[in-house]
Amino acid sequence: DGGITQSPKYLFRKEGQNVTLSCEQNLNHDAMYWYRQDPGQGLRLIYYSQIVNDFQKGDIAEGYSVSREKKESFPLTVTSAQKNPTAFYLCASSGQGPSGANVLTFGAGSRLTVL
Amino acid sequence: AQSVAQPEDQVNVAEGNPLTVKCTYSVSGNPYLFWYVQYPNRGLQFLLKYITGDNLVKGSYGFEAEFNKSQTSFHLKKPSALVSDSALYFCAVTSWGSSASKIIFGSGTRLSIRP
Repeated sequence: DGGITQSPKYLFRKEGQNVTLSCEQNLNHDAMYWYRQDPGQGLRLIYYSQIVNDFQKGDIAEGYSVSREKKESFPLTVTSAQKNPTAFYLCASSGQGPSGANVLTFGAGSRLTVL
Repeated sequence: AQSVAQPEDQVNVAEGNPLTVKCTYSVSGNPYLFWYVQYPNRGLQFLLKYITGDNLVKGSYGFEAEFNKSQTSFHLKKPSALVSDSALYFCAVTSWGSSASKIIFGSGTRLSIRP
């Protein structure tokens, strides 16, 4: 079945450590996105990528980094510079064409807790 | 800059009654508008979208939404609520012709349907 796989589902990190969240899709979608979800703040856009080897900052990119070396993969690194990294992270992708453009398919999410 | 507002944190409705979840937006250019739903401990699922054409859009699970350009609103509606509709609902926006396809979400509205 086509879809988006995020791993790990739960992750615990000590302060000062970088962690990388994995996002893989087999939908042949060009665009991929990372959002952060906090209670009462909805989903906030961290980074997005329209094509391989290109990505743009979203509204809260500080303290995060991404890469897009393959169409299927869009990993997110939460660096030690991110001041409040404890959150639920959602990866999404979207296809092209009149019916698929900008319609996001989401992964199940990764919950990061900083101890 | 794009923005989305969901003015109600929570909406409470009795089963069988009509429901409305409000959304207003701000974009430069013509909007693409979306509604997504999130059930507990799950990722987001696409409900419906407005791209162009008829202002009343029908989507999954009996939901519909009305695009109002003059009021910059895209309220989600359902004629008769079900207990199973209880979930967190998000409105999202991007704009036509945006090569970057930056998709912004609102803060979410928790819908609670009482039996």
